[in-house]
Amino acid sequence: NAGVMQNPRHLVRRRGQEARLRCSPMKGHSHVYWYRQLPEEGLKFMVYLQKENIIDESGMPKERFSAEFPKEGPSILRIQQVVRGDSAAYFCASSLSRAGGPGEQYFGPGTRLTVT
Amino acid sequence: TQLLEQSPQFLSIQEGENLTVYCNSSSVFSSLQWYRQEPGEGPVLLVTVVTGGEVKKLKRLTFQFGDARKDSSLHITAAQPGDTGLYLCAGARAGNNRKLIWGLGTSLAVNP
Repeated sequence: NAGVMQNPRHLVRRRGQEARLRCSPMKGHSHVYWYRQLPEEGLKFMVYLQKENIIDESGMPKERFSAEFPKEGPSILRIQQVVRGDSAAYFCASSLSRAGGPGEQYFGPGTRLTVT
Repeated sequence: TQLLEQSPQFLSIQEGENLTVYCNSSSVFSSLQWYRQEPGEGPVLLVTVVTGGEVKKLKRLTFQFGDARKDSSLHITAAQPGDTGLYLCAGARAGNNRKLIWGLGTSLAVNP
């Protein structure tokens, strides 16, 4: 049973380029979460999606950042015109779709974005 | 304002020692989870506690959920170097268990 998959594991972009981060949730999970983590810091929530819907994007910067989770294929976190401050580890997590559960999230290995 | 406060922030101990780390809040949570994150990896779920006063054991790790469901503790007995990592707690609020509230973590180093 494959866990949460993220690719690429490492991504280097020059300032002004676009970064696309992919996440495939665990089998049977239809909820995806994206988090950002800076060195020596905790996780910062960015966005929560279900298939074809953004449920909560309260942690997403208003500009340059977008996320999607299409009916088919992985969830994508897209960062346009990257700046050095976007350098961080980006983690994706998934959870089951059933209501009333404890909200347990299972994480991928992360994508480390470096902006030069 | 951090809704979930974890303490201590950093802890460095010798192999074989016992330790306790804390996760505190003024808010009530319907459940609380503990994760461990090793450098370069994603967090790994260790346990979920749901009932006030609940105690769960995972080998040398003992997790407790406070009676009022506002706080939790993690006790490690006879720590080993393999226990080194960042310990994160995350709480689910009643009525919104999808968006977890995260603490900043306790960074534990166990020296051989």
